[in-house]
Amino acid sequence: QLQLQESGPGLVKPSETLSLTCTVSGGSISSSTYYWGWIRQPPGKGLEWIGSIYYSGSTYYNPSLRIRVTVSVDTSKNQFSLKLSSVTAADTSVYYCARHVATSGYYDYWGQGTLVTVSS
Amino acid sequence: SYELTQPPSVSVSPGQTASITCSGDKLGDKYACWYQQKPGQSPVLVIYQDNQRPSGIPERFSGSNSGNTATLTISGTQAMDEADYYCQAWDTSTVVFGGGTKLTVL
Repeated sequence: QLQLQESGPGLVKPSETLSLTCTVSGGSISSSTYYWGWIRQPPGKGLEWIGSIYYSGSTYYNPSLRIRVTVSVDTSKNQFSLKLSSVTAADTSVYYCARHVATSGYYDYWGQGTLVTVSS
Repeated sequence: SYELTQPPSVSVSPGQTASITCSGDKLGDKYACWYQQKPGQSPVLVIYQDNQRPSGIPERFSGSNSGNTATLTISGTQAMDEADYYCQAWDTSTVVFGGGTKLTVL
């Protein structure tokens, strides 16, 4: 059974960089069938796509976040990571990592999510 | 940028059929999928590729997608189906979510 687990600081100061890692177990991140993505959800609000990465390193980002986002992959550790720079209170959200089926564009496995609060 | 529009809320009586719509320009030309999210939980895929149900999703969940509208239909709605539902599409390497619909079973 595939599992994804987010990890990283739960509190980040304004203007700093948010960094999260997603560890994939029960399957290989190097599969050609999937992308690996980050999605966030502000408290009480809807889902927002952040970006996706292929095992080769090809990335796709939400245009509204592109200038602040970097998603990377480490196939040796079966992990992928998110960096979001210059954070503000508006970036306070539950951050999810998920597996993204490449051909059809849906997310079939999700992590449990991790709340990141931006506050001084 | 591409946008998907959902009604903020839908109400249904137990045992009746609930329909949740998702509108976007030429959405029928893309694959649509749907997620169910209950409070404090991660989203769960309930429909993919317009009308396919993942393993473990009850048959009462079905989907369609044509023209500018995708629809999630829940037949014989049960109290356990009360949740937020999100549509999502994949457009030119961009993932787009609808704003979400709160389904109330009353």
